[in-house]
Amino acid sequence: AQRVTQPEKLLSVFKGAPVELKCNYSYSGSPELFWYVQYSRQRLQLLLRHISRESIKGFTADLNKGETSFHLKKPFAQEEDSAMYYCALSVLGAQKLVFGQGTRLTINP
Amino acid sequence: GAGVSQSPSNKVTEKGKDVELRCDPISGHTALYWYRQRLGQGLEFLIYFQGNSAPDKSGLPSDRFSAERTGESVSTLTIQRTQQEDSAVYLCASTSTGTGPYEQYFGPGTRLTVT
Repeated sequence: AQRVTQPEKLLSVFKGAPVELKCNYSYSGSPELFWYVQYSRQRLQLLLRHISRESIKGFTADLNKGETSFHLKKPFAQEEDSAMYYCALSVLGAQKLVFGQGTRLTINP
Repeated sequence: GAGVSQSPSNKVTEKGKDVELRCDPISGHTALYWYRQRLGQGLEFLIYFQGNSAPDKSGLPSDRFSAERTGESVSTLTIQRTQQEDSAVYLCASTSTGTGPYEQYFGPGTRLTVT
């Protein structure tokens, strides 16, 4: 069965420090992975997807098939990055996303 | 333009009562999804609509849960004989055909509390 694991429920770092939110997946096929973000009092929204190999708001994520990971990274955290982050896996041939349990990121001033 | 809307935003109901949750997707979006988010947990897929058909209902937790979609637009999630474990935030999302499941636009959610 497909599974997404985000081992940290809470993560707190200081402004300006590097941040890494961990995501590991379990899937026998070719994965498509995404990061969604929910800022306070806002809706869940797409942050980035591995297939685009893009950087959004300074965040990047690299798919590592050997380690079955898709960690989200940012070299210098900003206070506005405080939010709930969800890693999600798209299952080939199925129109649904499998979400991890989420990591609440807090950036301290 | 308008995003995905859901109503009500909050619903408190007594155990054993039926509830209906509504989702209005973005106009023109053919695919619609329902998710459940229990406190402290991730998003749990419930059901997916393509047009008015539901090709994947695999996430519905029991036969007390049902959903329908009409006019390739509004969807209603119905929970019969609610139980306390049904308390959660119910999220709806929509996407247009051809963009894949990852282009999902989420509504604000309905917070359901069963007392």
